[in-house]
Amino acid sequence: AQRVTQPEKLLSVFKGAPVELKCNYSYSGSPELFWYVQYSRQRLQLLLRHISRESIKGFTADLNKGETSFHLKKPFAQEEDSAMYYCALSENSGGSNYKLTFGKGTLLTVNP
Amino acid sequence: DAGVTQSPTHLIKTRGQQVTLRCSPKSGHDTVSWYQQALGQGPQFIFQYYEEEERQRGNFPDRFSGHQFPNYSSELNVNALLLGDSALYLCASSWGGRQGYEQYFGPGTRLTVT
Repeated sequence: AQRVTQPEKLLSVFKGAPVELKCNYSYSGSPELFWYVQYSRQRLQLLLRHISRESIKGFTADLNKGETSFHLKKPFAQEEDSAMYYCALSENSGGSNYKLTFGKGTLLTVNP
Repeated sequence: DAGVTQSPTHLIKTRGQQVTLRCSPKSGHDTVSWYQQALGQGPQFIFQYYEEEERQRGNFPDRFSGHQFPNYSSELNVNALLLGDSALYLCASSWGGRQGYEQYFGPGTRLTVT
């Protein structure tokens, strides 16, 4: 069965500092990985997916199949990045339309 | 487009009762997925509906059932409510016709079982 682990429940950094939110997964096949974000009083929304290989709001994430990781990184954190971040996995056979398995989330706080 | 909408926003039920939650997908979407999010946890997949049929199901008991209507809206029913069913229930919609389309989430329904 697939599993997503986010080892940090809370992460606090100062504005301008680099930030890395860790995500590890276990899945026997070839998964599709996502990062979802939930800002205060807003709904859950997609931040980025590994197949797009794009940078959104300065965030990037690289899929490392050897280490089964999909860490989210940003070189210079901004206060508006403060939010709850969820790593999620989908079975590759169905793409993003199939069920998502989420981690427990990391609450990022960027201090001024 | 209001995006994915869910009703009601909040609900309080007593143990043993039954509850129905509703979801309207984003315009143009035909697939609806339901998730349960307990406090301090990530969303957990309940089931997904496509073409009015349950396409996938997570590890939830038969007390959890659903339905999709011809207009693609969906209902989640939970029978014989337990205290542990208290959670935020999220609906997500997507387009089932192609791979790689993201799921858009609604604001959720907060269910409290007393």
